[in-house]
Amino acid sequence: NAGVTQTPKFQVLKTGQSMTLQCAQDMNHEYMSWYRQDPGMGLRLIHYSVGAGITDQGEVPNGYNVSRSTTEDFPLRLLSAAPSQTSVYFCASGTGVYSNQPQHFGDGTRLSIL
Amino acid sequence: RKEVEQDPGPFNVPEGATVAFNCTYSNSASQSFFWYRQDCRKEPKLLMSVYSSGNEDGRFTAQLNRASQYISLLIRDSKLSDSATYLCVVNIPPSGGYNKLIFGAGTRLAVHP
Repeated sequence: NAGVTQTPKFQVLKTGQSMTLQCAQDMNHEYMSWYRQDPGMGLRLIHYSVGAGITDQGEVPNGYNVSRSTTEDFPLRLLSAAPSQTSVYFCASGTGVYSNQPQHFGDGTRLSIL
Repeated sequence: RKEVEQDPGPFNVPEGATVAFNCTYSNSASQSFFWYRQDCRKEPKLLMSVYSSGNEDGRFTAQLNRASQYISLLIRDSKLSDSATYLCVVNIPPSGGYNKLIFGAGTRLAVHP
């Protein structure tokens, strides 16, 4: 059971570089989301999607872009990395467009911006 | 005020102890509630959903008090393996958009021999 797969698991970037964090799920879930987790602050929602072609902003969207061209994939793009984006990033998916259902998480991407 | 608030802990308890976590939420229209468990440097995993009538799963009991807008998690007969951070999760109903799940910062539990 693959579930939610995130790549890469670790990444170090220099300030100003761009990169894409990949997220894929094989459970045919409509709802996908990206969170970042910083010490003492819990998980904060960056962007989410309720289906292919539909995305919306979460609590901390600045500096990040997303797209949802397929049900399976929900990549997160950092256009110009900043040290403040050093964090652990989790992708999650769940059932139901108007989701009252729990979400399943990938095992995270640890990102450091120098 | 944060949308979801938890006591950060840590709660240090001996094996066999009973421990209770509380969580408060600010949006009275919230409809879905969950407890997740997160081990150090790992992804959050669903522990249990919280239903209006309260629900139990083995040593774990979750309760919801809508009037006071808080959720609780009770762990009986604590095991060493229960050591983790427990995250309270609340859905935020749509205001022109879609439901969003909001996480509390988590309560850390350390069970010692």
